[in-house]
Amino acid sequence: GEDVEQSLFLSVREGDSSVINCTYTDSSSTYLYWYKQEPGAGLQLLTYIFSNMDMKQDQRLTVLLNKKDKHLSLRIADTQTGDSAIYFCAEGEYGNKLVFGAGTILRVKS
Amino acid sequence: NAGVTQTPKFQVLKTGQSMTLQCAQDMNHEYMSWYRQDPGMGLRLIHYSVGAGITDQGEVPNGYNVSRSTTEDFPLRLLSAAPSQTSVYFCASSWGTGTNNEQFFGPGTRLTVL
Repeated sequence: GEDVEQSLFLSVREGDSSVINCTYTDSSSTYLYWYKQEPGAGLQLLTYIFSNMDMKQDQRLTVLLNKKDKHLSLRIADTQTGDSAIYFCAEGEYGNKLVFGAGTILRVKS
Repeated sequence: NAGVTQTPKFQVLKTGQSMTLQCAQDMNHEYMSWYRQDPGMGLRLIHYSVGAGITDQGEVPNGYNVSRSTTEDFPLRLLSAAPSQTSVYFCASSWGTGTNNEQFFGPGTRLTVL
């Protein structure tokens, strides 16, 4: 079955870059997503990448996709304390029936 | 637009009780879904609907029923609650197709079954 794996925890200093990694198994996924969840809140879409792209940049966020290795990463430049949250990688065909990773807790130290 | 709304925010049930988690969206989205979130695990899909009158099972459907009589509402029913259903439940909606087909999530319902 489909599976998405992420590292569970990442700690960085304010101002540094954060890199959150994700591996997935379903090569038919059309889109790959990064969601952010702040404490006590629902999930908020951060960014996404279409499966025929290698990279996407959106302000401080850079998504890299290696289809051969089924590896997705999210880089947050100049990480701020407000970036502290849980980050979920997800895959899905046309965004439906998403399969989520377990989430990476990002802790930003000031 | 209110987006995706869920009620209640918190609920405590005893084993065997039934209840309905409400979900509504005002974006005219065709696609709606229910997920549960458990510690150390990602969100898992319970049931989803591609339009009014159409529902289907997700990854973990056992113990839950859904119906979709209108485009706006997608309630999730627990017929006989069990402690294993203690979780945070999220409802989501989307257009179903499109450029990125972003799923919009509600704020969640935290359910405890004693």
